[in-house]
Amino acid sequence: AQSVSQHNHHVILSEAASLELGCNYSYGGTVNLFWYVQYPGQHLQLLLKYFSGDPLVKGIKGFEAEFIKSKFSFNLRKPSVQWSDTAEYFCAVIVNTGGFKTIFGAGTRLFVKA
Amino acid sequence: DVKVTQSSRYLVKRTGEKVFLECVQDMDHENMFWYRQDPGLGLRLIYFSYDVKMKEKGDIPEGYSVSREKKERFSLILESASTNQTSMYLCASRRGQAGEQFFGPGTRLTVL
Repeated sequence: AQSVSQHNHHVILSEAASLELGCNYSYGGTVNLFWYVQYPGQHLQLLLKYFSGDPLVKGIKGFEAEFIKSKFSFNLRKPSVQWSDTAEYFCAVIVNTGGFKTIFGAGTRLFVKA
Repeated sequence: DVKVTQSSRYLVKRTGEKVFLECVQDMDHENMFWYRQDPGLGLRLIYFSYDVKMKEKGDIPEGYSVSREKKERFSLILESASTNQTSMYLCASRRGQAGEQFFGPGTRLTVL
């Protein structure tokens, strides 16, 4: 069955540290890839997405992600985190298995210490 | 500004009660979704709808039903609430088959 794995459930960083959150999926066909973010008390919103083209995509607030097809990965990065990046981050994949299905990872809670 | 709204942010119900969660979107999206969000489990799809009066079961439909009588409105129904249905419920909508989803603020349901 298709699945999405986020390797870290909880991450604690100090401000200005670099961030990389892992995301791997299990599906051999074409995929659309997303990272969503949920700030405390707010609704889930899109951070960035990849459909095709340049595998390095840039999103809001300085985030970027790289699609590596051979590794089935779509890791999220930010060179220097801020306290306001404290949130829960979800990787999601859309696969076409006779219908388009979105599969979410379990989420990674990021806490940035000021 | 696109918007998905949910009828309640917090809800407390008793075991056995019938519970209605309402979701409305103003983007004219064909597709609407209900998820439940639990710590460590991410988002799990309960039901989705790709058109008015159409519905499809997601990964965890047991104990739930849905209704979509109008394009903008998608309701989740717990026929007889149980304590294991205590959770955060998220509604989302999407235009087309494979794009981004837009989420509502969520309803935190507690069943006592």
